[in-house]
Amino acid sequence: DVKVTQSSRYLVKRTGEKVFLECVQDMDHENMFWYRQDPGLGLRLIYFSYDVKMKEKGDIPEGYSVSREKKERFSLILESASTNQTSMYLCASQFKGWSETQYFGPGTRLLVL
Amino acid sequence: SQQGEEDPQALSIQEGENATMNCSYKTSINNLQWYRQNSGRGLVHLILIRSNEREKHSGRLRVTLDTSKKSSSLLITASRAADTASYFCATDSGANSKLTFGKGITLSVRP
Repeated sequence: DVKVTQSSRYLVKRTGEKVFLECVQDMDHENMFWYRQDPGLGLRLIYFSYDVKMKEKGDIPEGYSVSREKKERFSLILESASTNQTSMYLCASQFKGWSETQYFGPGTRLLVL
Repeated sequence: SQQGEEDPQALSIQEGENATMNCSYKTSINNLQWYRQNSGRGLVHLILIRSNEREKHSGRLRVTLDTSKKSSSLLITASRAADTASYFCATDSGANSKLTFGKGITLSVRP
């Protein structure tokens, strides 16, 4: 079974802090994604990566950056957390075919005070 | 940008009844996928139907795809309380395109 893990289930941070969310997958998938999920807005893609050191902006990249130094690990960075970044963050991985199933981690619920 | 739109937004049924959820989309697709999310958890893939398929079954799930109407439906037969969750459709629209998720349908199955 594919396993996607996220570093924290719940996180509380202060405005202005730098926040790191980590995602690790164990299936040697090429593609990895970061989404945020907010009530009434569904899932919105922040960034994705199709290979080590490669990254592409999604629909809402502002205020975020990412890092993919190893194939199994994809990190989302909030450079200076703001209250409007309070959300549920979901990581997913996918075999290289773009039409393939995405496998999701359990999510990180981030509260920025 | 949202491609798939689910309907209804919320559905409440009695255990044992069937649940039908619909998804409409705007542009042509390679495939359409349905995912399920239990409260506060990540999404779990349920079923994928390709654009050249019309119907697909997996256990108590039946998915149909009508590309002429740009719509899909997910039927859960003989529902159980454990089916209570949010259900999302996701579309893949072209070469190197990403999945685009709808906003989801909240299904409540009353015991």
